[in-house]
Amino acid sequence: QQQVKQSPQSLIVQKGGISIINCAYENTAFDYFPWYQQFPGKGPALLIAIRPDVSEKKEGRFTISFNKSAKQFSLHIMDSQPGDSATYFCASHHNTDKLIFGTGTRLQVFP
Amino acid sequence: DADVTQTPRNRITKTGKRIMLECSQTKGHDRMYWYRQDPGLGLRLIYYSFDVKDINKGEISDGYSVSRQAQAKFSLSLESAIPNQTALYFCATSDSTSGKIYEQYFGPGTRLTVT
Repeated sequence: QQQVKQSPQSLIVQKGGISIINCAYENTAFDYFPWYQQFPGKGPALLIAIRPDVSEKKEGRFTISFNKSAKQFSLHIMDSQPGDSATYFCASHHNTDKLIFGTGTRLQVFP
Repeated sequence: DADVTQTPRNRITKTGKRIMLECSQTKGHDRMYWYRQDPGLGLRLIYYSFDVKDINKGEISDGYSVSRQAQAKFSLSLESAIPNQTALYFCATSDSTSGKIYEQYFGPGTRLTVT
């Protein structure tokens, strides 16, 4: 069974702080590593993604760091805002065109 | 209007009943997926379809069946619902010709409760 392990399950951060969510994968047949963001009552939506030949990708306050040798990747949210409060899923895109999702992290950012 | 719609949005049913969840999309995408979301378990793939004649089992297909009636419609059926099928169900679509092969577009979800 292909797995993507995600931690922590929940995260509380003060406004302006850095939120960090970690994921680890097992299968080397993954070719992209996206992160999805889900607000309450909504479906997940793509936030940012990285290829395994890149060590870091930044889009605004969101950065993915990727460590191929360790089979780990993480999402960093700089200057976290209350509007960032959501559930975040890491995922791995398999070369058979399926997404394998992590278990999710519920982020709460307090003012 | 939403690009991916799901009906119903909420449903309560009894053990043993047959139930169908429907998904429609106006995005023109060829690929469609059904997931279930459970607290602490994330999103798990039930079935997926890469075109109308191509349907595949996902990670947790037991107890479920699907029908791809048209490119825009993909239905999920629970033939005999059981309480552990209580979950939030999502339909998603993707475009095989897109440069972003990892991008799926999700519907708003159906909250199903089996009593």
